[in-house]
This record gives sequence, C-alpha cells and structure tokens, in this order.
Amino acid sequence: ETGVTQTPRHLVMGMTNKKSLKCEQHLGHNAMYWYKQSAKKPLELMFVYNFKEQTENNSVPSRFSPECPNSSHLFLHLHTLQPEDSALYLCASSKGQGYQPQHFGDGTRLSIL
Amino acid sequence: AQKVTQAQTEISVVEKEDVTLDCVYETRDTTYYLFWYKQPPSGELVFLIRRNSFDEQNEISGRYSWNFQKSTSSFNFTITASQVVDSAVYFCAPPGSGANNLFFGTGTRLTVIP
Repeated sequence: ETGVTQTPRHLVMGMTNKKSLKCEQHLGHNAMYWYKQSAKKPLELMFVYNFKEQTENNSVPSRFSPECPNSSHLFLHLHTLQPEDSALYLCASSKGQGYQPQHFGDGTRLSIL
Repeated sequence: AQKVTQAQTEISVVEKEDVTLDCVYETRDTTYYLFWYKQPPSGELVFLIRRNSFDEQNEISGRYSWNFQKSTSSFNFTITASQVVDSAVYFCAPPGSGANNLFFGTGTRLTVIP
C-alpha cells in the first residue's frame, strides 16, 4: 500500500465521454501532482497543486481539467479526449516545497476508443 | 543548461549478479537534490533515495547502494545479488522546471533473468 490511492485502475472511454480520475493521499502532504506516461516517452508533468492552489500547468489541453478541493484529494476531469491521450496517468503527493520526495499512486491506465 | 543522462536504456542480468545503473547529471547549480525512483511492471513509481549535492558519502540500504560523486556529476545505483523482483524501470530524477518538480527521463529498464 503506497498511501496514495488512485481510482479507477483502468478506464476505457469513447472520445465523446466525460469521466473523472480520482486521487487520494493519506500521508498528510500538501502538494499533489498529475503526470502522464505514454508508451516509450518520458513521464510528463501535467499539473501541480500546493495547498489546494494550482502552481503549475504544463500547457495541458483544456480537455483535461484538474480539481483539488483539499490537500488530500485531486481529480482529473476528462472530456472529448483524443486517441493520443491513451496513457498511464499517475498521481503523486509530497510534503510541499523544497524537493521533497514524491509518493505515487498505482496509476490509472486510460484507453480512448 | 541542466541535463540528466541514463546512458543504459536496457540492461539484462542473471539473478544473483550485481548490476550498476549509471546516472550523470550536468548542472551549473552548486546545490541540488537528486532522486532515484523504481517503476515495476505494475506501474507505480516507488521512491528509493534522495541525495543532497553536499553529501558525497555512499549510501547503503540492504542490497541497494548509491555512489554520488559531484566531481564527475555521477549518481550511480548498484543492486547487489539481484533478484527477479528487481526487474523494473529505474529513473534518476533531477530537479525540473518548478520549485517542487522533478524531471523524469526515459530511465533504465532492468530485467533480472531467473
């Protein structure tokens, strides 16, 4: 058990569907992250939240919409995705600033039909 | 410009062999952290170690050891007596663009053959 829980583990959706990925951390951390990992590509940082405030958006398309209602929960709302969005989406959390170790969830493997 | 290089894309070893994964981090920063993460086939990234650039002492944790040499910009990771469960992709991660971000490259895929 990693302390960071992601649901669902697998998701298959059509391009017109709307779905959400959920991440919850039980470590008392203040910062949370969304990463995308496509096949044979480096891990891509998508969004960073620190104390519920978004501190980084790495030019992510608007079809990905993050939400961080509190320091323990992070969502990624998906709508009208493209086939190239199929990937492993990883959530992570850390204590905050200063290059603290990030702790990752198991990821959601997303397939777009 | 900062640059991290894990020159070994894939490594295969037979179980019980020792294996060293190389990492070279080139930077003009005098103070920085470096991290190693493991990603087994199940997908989750597992934090292994964080080192500060001021600390050049070798670190040992069970079968894992790390050798950090600032003079050569290297932060190598050795697994002693490898096991099949060590099969994973290993990432050497330096600081990324933001204050609390890390940069993950494509890593080194280690396969331990029984």
